[in-house]
Amino acid sequence: SQTIHQWPATLVQPVGSPLSLECTVEGTSNPNLYWYRQAAGRGLQLLFYSVGIGQISSEVPQNLSASRPQDRQFILSSKKLLLSDSGFYLCAWSIHATGGSELHFGNGTRLTVT
Amino acid sequence: SQQGEEDPQALSIQEGENATMNCSYKTSINNLQWYRQNSGRGLVHLILIRSNEREKHSGRLRVTLDTSKKSSSLLITASRAADTASYFCATDATVKAAGNKLTFGGGTRVLVKP
Repeated sequence: SQTIHQWPATLVQPVGSPLSLECTVEGTSNPNLYWYRQAAGRGLQLLFYSVGIGQISSEVPQNLSASRPQDRQFILSSKKLLLSDSGFYLCAWSIHATGGSELHFGNGTRLTVT
Repeated sequence: SQQGEEDPQALSIQEGENATMNCSYKTSINNLQWYRQNSGRGLVHLILIRSNEREKHSGRLRVTLDTSKKSSSLLITASRAADTASYFCATDATVKAAGNKLTFGGGTRVLVKP
């Protein structure tokens, strides 16, 4: 069966520090991969998605970047965090399917920038 | 901006009652999906309904889709305390087959009192 791992679960970082969040998927190959951010009590905002190794699409201009160095690994990074980067970050995967398919989410990383 | 908007934002019911929440969206879609999120966790997929479908059932869940009104509803019958969670609709309006990008609404917080 497929599983998705996301770490760390919580993170407190000072303003101006770098960030690296990692997500890995097991049990499937060539998945679509996604990074979403959720503000407190709000819906999810799509940040990045990837349909293959090295293929990254950015949805929102911001202080963050994403990379996909391996088929089932998706990394979210920042060189210098801002207070506004605080939030709940969720990684997800889906299969490639015409007409769409469901997303499978990790348990998220709660980032607090102080 | 959010494609889907849920209504109501919050719902409080007694165990055994039905819970109904609605989702409205703005553009043409390939499919609409409903997700559930327990506090502080990732989202869990509930149901996917395609644009050519009008109703779908899964256990105690019933989803309807009216593309002419650009709206959907999620009904949870015979609710249980364990149904307490936030429920999100998400629309897939992806034009290309690669990378189905979901746009999430702000969610409905459901509290089921025992």
